[in-house]
This record gives sequence, C-alpha cells and structure tokens, in this order.
Amino acid sequence: GQQVMQIPQYQHVQEGEDFTTYCNSSTTLSNIQWYKQRPGGHPVFLIQLVKSGEVKKQKRLTFQFGEAKKNSSLHITATQTTDVGTYFCAGKGSGGGADGLTFGKGTHLIIQP
Amino acid sequence: DTAVSQTPKYLVTQMGNDKSIKCEQNLGHDTMYWYKQDSKKFLKIMFSYNNKELIINETVPNRFSPKSPDKAHLNLHINSLELGDSAVYFCASSRDGTGGGYTFGSGTRLTVV
Repeated sequence: GQQVMQIPQYQHVQEGEDFTTYCNSSTTLSNIQWYKQRPGGHPVFLIQLVKSGEVKKQKRLTFQFGEAKKNSSLHITATQTTDVGTYFCAGKGSGGGADGLTFGKGTHLIIQP
Repeated sequence: DTAVSQTPKYLVTQMGNDKSIKCEQNLGHDTMYWYKQDSKKFLKIMFSYNNKELIINETVPNRFSPKSPDKAHLNLHINSLELGDSAVYFCASSRDGTGGGYTFGSGTRLTVV
C-alpha cells in the first residue's frame, strides 16, 4: 500500500532559526496536504498542493510539491514559539475514488527560546 | 458552533468492556473518517463513510465497527476492549472523498486498564 515517509522525526531549533520538514511518498500523489497539531490538540489543516512543482506561501511558511508529485516540503522562516507542534504531511493516491489520506509520521518541532 | 464534535473527550474503561464514541459534523461534508493516533503520534486511518457507504476499512479488527445513522454522524463502537486499543481516536470530515482539507474533531483519549 501507499507509504508516506517524513523526516526528521524531531527537530530542535533556537527561536528565530529556520525549520524544514520533508515528505516522500512511495507512489505518485494526486495531492498532498499539510497539517499542524499543537501539543494536546488535534490536527489542523494548513494547505493543499495539487500541481506538479507547486509552491505556496502562508506568511513565514513555504510549501513545495515536487515535480514528480512524490515529495513535498514545508519550510518555516524565523521560527517563533507559536510554531511549536507536530507537522504532518498527508497524501492521497492518484488512483481516484474516495480514499482517505495517508499521513506521514510527523515532525515534532521543539523551539528553544 | 463546533464543526466536528466528538464525545466523550476522555474514556477510561476496563478490558473486555464495550464502548462507543460519538461524532457529529455540522459542515455539510460528504465523507467522515475515524483515525487512530498512537503514543508516537502516528495517525492511521480506520474507516471512512461516504453517503452511508463504507469506503475504506484498513486492517482494523472486526471488534471495531463504524455506525452512521445519517450523513452528519459517524459513531465508533468497540467490542471487547483490549489494552492495545488505548490511543487517541479522531473523527474527521471532508467535503468529498477526492480532495480538500479534513476537519478534525478534538479527539477522544481512550485508556483501557
């Protein structure tokens, strides 16, 4: 079945440093989504990427979808303490139909003030 | 105003018991899901329902059964609870099964003792 791998598992940064998490799928994806889960909270949808090579920005967050639609990245510029949490990528296969998302294992972002 | 609501938020029960978790969404979404998040934060899809039809049933024990009385509700019933069932269970919904972000409920933390 489809597998979505995400690295790193944990990332410690000093406040103000940049952060990047990477996602790779074993199969071509129709789209990829990114979610953020704060400690003790639930996953919250951030963005969806659909097109090959697509780049989207949300303030300090930059999301990219690879040309082959098998990988993606999330980059945060100048991290703040409010960025703490676990970031998940989630992929949907390109086979069509009402399939659920396959989530990566997440990257836990820890920020040291 | 809660978009996806789950009850109860916490559930502590003994091995062998039967329990249910309720989920309701007021977003008018077409598809609802149940995800299990283990202690390592890994999110794994269990079920999805679209128009009262079960779309996915991953390798989940048949002790787990989703029940959807209508489009806005997807309850999860668990028979003969085991220690390994302890986890956080998230309900989610999406507009259709082919794309768009998921809206998650706040989760139900199940502890089996």
